[in-house]
Amino acid sequence: GAVVSQHPSRVICKSGTSVKIECRSLDFQATTMFWYRQFPKQSLMLMATSNEGSKATYEQGVEKDKFLINHASLTLSTLTVTSAHPEDSSFYICSAATGLEGETQYFGPGTRLLVL
Amino acid sequence: AQTVTQSQPEMSVQEAETVTLSCTYDTSESNYYLFWYKQPPSRQMILVIRQEAYKQQNATENRFSVNFQKAAKSFSLKISDSQLGDTAMYFCAFKITGTASKLTFGTGTRLQVTL
Repeated sequence: GAVVSQHPSRVICKSGTSVKIECRSLDFQATTMFWYRQFPKQSLMLMATSNEGSKATYEQGVEKDKFLINHASLTLSTLTVTSAHPEDSSFYICSAATGLEGETQYFGPGTRLLVL
Repeated sequence: AQTVTQSQPEMSVQEAETVTLSCTYDTSESNYYLFWYKQPPSRQMILVIRQEAYKQQNATENRFSVNFQKAAKSFSLKISDSQLGDTAMYFCAFKITGTASKLTFGTGTRLQVTL
């Protein structure tokens, strides 16, 4: 299957700072990437859909000014959590769609964010 | 709007036995895909199996197979010869046709494989 990486895998930051998470498709080009948030023992919640070269589409209730998404190339999307607060602490996962293989989304390993 | 329901929050199976995880969905679309993803303790989401709605034949991947009942909107996962490494959270997911279309996940079933 296709490989998606995320960096960093874990980050601890102080309240009020910004954190950037990178999502890369390593062996395929992804015109569309997706960002999810997962709380402990819960399912994945889609935050936004990221399309290369255009603005991201955010799900209802997700603050676009707080969660900045940039999809600058066909292999890289970034999520920046701005002015992070303790309630932003969570597990963030990205996925990328190949457009082939039944339009399967392949997932990155996730980033654990802890805001102190 | 699409919904996916997994009615079994937790299940347990002994090693080498067979277990079936249930999933139902609701949609008015005719062209779509269904997936089972596995999330082990590492939290990496791993594709287990995929089914195209237009295919009548049930998908199989080694020890994993599905029972896809389109009219009943049911998509269950059967794991044969269960192994300890199958212990994980299993999510059923739905998406309509289109690369940019999003996945709708069920709430998950936590499977524990025991000795």
